[in-house]
Amino acid sequence: GDSVTQMEGPVTLSEEAFLTINCTYTATGYPSLFWYVQYPGEGLQLLLKATKADDKGSNKGFEATYRKETTSFHLEKGSVQVSDSAVYFCAPVFPLEDYKLSFGAGTTVTVRA
Amino acid sequence: DTEVTQTPKHLVMGMTNKKSLKCEQHMGHRAMYWYKQKAKKPPELMFVYSYEKLSINESVPSRFSPECPNSSLLNLHLHALQPEDSALYLCASSRQRSRAETQYFGPGTRLLVL
Repeated sequence: GDSVTQMEGPVTLSEEAFLTINCTYTATGYPSLFWYVQYPGEGLQLLLKATKADDKGSNKGFEATYRKETTSFHLEKGSVQVSDSAVYFCAPVFPLEDYKLSFGAGTTVTVRA
Repeated sequence: DTEVTQTPKHLVMGMTNKKSLKCEQHMGHRAMYWYKQKAKKPPELMFVYSYEKLSINESVPSRFSPECPNSSLLNLHLHALQPEDSALYLCASSRQRSRAETQYFGPGTRLLVL
């Protein structure tokens, strides 16, 4: 069946370091791909999304590209800040899964000053 | 405005109590969702409403009872809960149920069952 695999943390970085969180999927058909972020004590916020192959989503310095060849949607940021400390969820919407968000396990990122 | 509001923020209840969680959006969205999130885990889908009709019930125990009185409101009625039901309950909405629509989440209600 359709599934998502997300790099598990925790990940600890220093400010201005490069961040990458891997996300790969297995699907029948072509999903839409989402990254959500959850700051401590809050709900989830959409970070970025891509709905077709080669689309690049970007927001707040984060980027991810829909790679059909490698079935991946890795999240990257070139220079993290303390305020980026949060849990990040990769969440495909698989065509055959009734339009549900299928969340990855989540990656906890801590950025130290 | 992409705001989904939820009340209350926190709720403590005993196993014999009846309580309700409320969710509201004014974005004109026609799909609304309830999720349950345990600590350090991703959200788990509970219910989906589409055009005020229940579309998905993910085999949730009957002690959780959803209600969608109109297109802006979504309630979750709680009765005879167990301590393992303690969690963060998240509401979300989207324009409609489709592959590319973004779900917008509320801040959640943190529930503790004693």
